[in-house]
Amino acid sequence: DAGITQSPRHKVTETGTPVTLRCHQTENHRYMYWYRQDPGHGLRLIHYSYGVKDTDKGEVSDGYSVSRSKTEDFLLTLESATSSQTSVYFCAISESIGSGIQETQYFGPGTRLLVL
Amino acid sequence: SQKIEQNSEALNIQEGKTATLTCNYTNYSPAYLQWYRQDPGRGPVFLLLIRENEKEKRKERLKVTFDTTLKQSLFHITASQPADSATYLCALDPRGSGYSTLTFGKGTMLLVSP
Repeated sequence: DAGITQSPRHKVTETGTPVTLRCHQTENHRYMYWYRQDPGHGLRLIHYSYGVKDTDKGEVSDGYSVSRSKTEDFLLTLESATSSQTSVYFCAISESIGSGIQETQYFGPGTRLLVL
Repeated sequence: SQKIEQNSEALNIQEGKTATLTCNYTNYSPAYLQWYRQDPGRGPVFLLLIRENEKEKRKERLKVTFDTTLKQSLFHITASQPADSATYLCALDPRGSGYSTLTFGKGTMLLVSP
């Protein structure tokens, strides 16, 4: 998985509790992404980062926050988990080519989150 | 509205045949289009990228075409094998500049029977 790890790999939590998912890369890639994947919706972008402390929202960012204090780590936080956030979460990384164009993304193994 | 459409129904073919998967998009002008493979319980894996000025790209048994007039990409696997069974996702850069993130289709499941 291209030097990408995600932790935890599985988590069960209760509604209203905070949850933090971690993505760690050893590739020194500039861009990092958090997606969620749900049946019938496919992969949807939650947040992404284009450098340390530089992040932006994706398509489904409500209820999620992110932080990137080091190149290698990108954290996704659910401040107060809801059942609608039960999903499989994937982290991905990519590097820029030339003047910042992003191309191929490399995905981590995923985290299965169940919110009861 | 903007859409990326892939066949939601699984494609069933026999080993040795050519599998053809379709990706159609509307209201996008992507600089490139990518194809990924995803196995159950795992993250997607990059297969091929084709740019807007390229008609066709090949890699071993894989071939991708890109028709910006039809707004369509076709993904072909020749001499298919049971090990090719997986879900295949297409993705494009929604802003068309190459400087943005990717938007993914929902994927098509391919089942290759012996």
